[in-house]
Amino acid sequence: AQKITQTQPGMFVQEKEAVTLDCTYDTSDQSYGLFWYKQPSSGEMIFLIYQGSYDEQNATEGRYSLNFQKARKSANLVISASQLGDSAMYFCAMREGSGGGADGLTFGKGTHLIIQP
Amino acid sequence: DTGVSQNPRHKITKRGQNVTFRCDPISEHNRLYWYRQTLGQGPEFLTYFQNEAQLEKSRLLSDRFSAERPKGSFSTLEIQRTEQGDSAMYLCASGPTRPPYEQYFGPGTRLTVT
Repeated sequence: AQKITQTQPGMFVQEKEAVTLDCTYDTSDQSYGLFWYKQPSSGEMIFLIYQGSYDEQNATEGRYSLNFQKARKSANLVISASQLGDSAMYFCAMREGSGGGADGLTFGKGTHLIIQP
Repeated sequence: DTGVSQNPRHKITKRGQNVTFRCDPISEHNRLYWYRQTLGQGPEFLTYFQNEAQLEKSRLLSDRFSAERPKGSFSTLEIQRTEQGDSAMYLCASGPTRPPYEQYFGPGTRLTVT
């Protein structure tokens, strides 16, 4: 089974609208972390936001927020007031375990977001 | 801070040749990670260092792949006897040894094996 599932291969959104990018995950660990990264056409992965499994509040970073629903194992990224520069690939990723060990991230296949003027 | 840097940015090689990529992490980060990204996929974790110790290498794709971080600063990833299936983007990331253990990626090295 996929550990990270992103069901939207591509999305078109009008500028200034809010957009939600879906992510579901699968793990048997009680302690884990969820990350969202942005990858523009230049290729560099940019860290956007983090949510820990024990965090009671949804994470927010500027225009980015994470809608964390633990029982549903979902961690959707919400971008408010989208801008043309938000056009990119977006990846959801998970770190299993508390992070103290040797923990690489497991990534989903990504969602290609295109913001239209 | 200049961020994570990787060299070269692009490498074209012939099948059977050996290639080596370099990664310079963010200076204060003790952790360093290597990933491979193929077209249309998310990055795939390969290996991980904490300082000079390679703490996870079971995910390296074959024994043709090896990585070093001799002084706990920069790291190299070597692929011996390259195959066409090795063509991909190779990403390096570094991160701190404190929660949330986020990782900061470099621009990657794009490898093309002809």
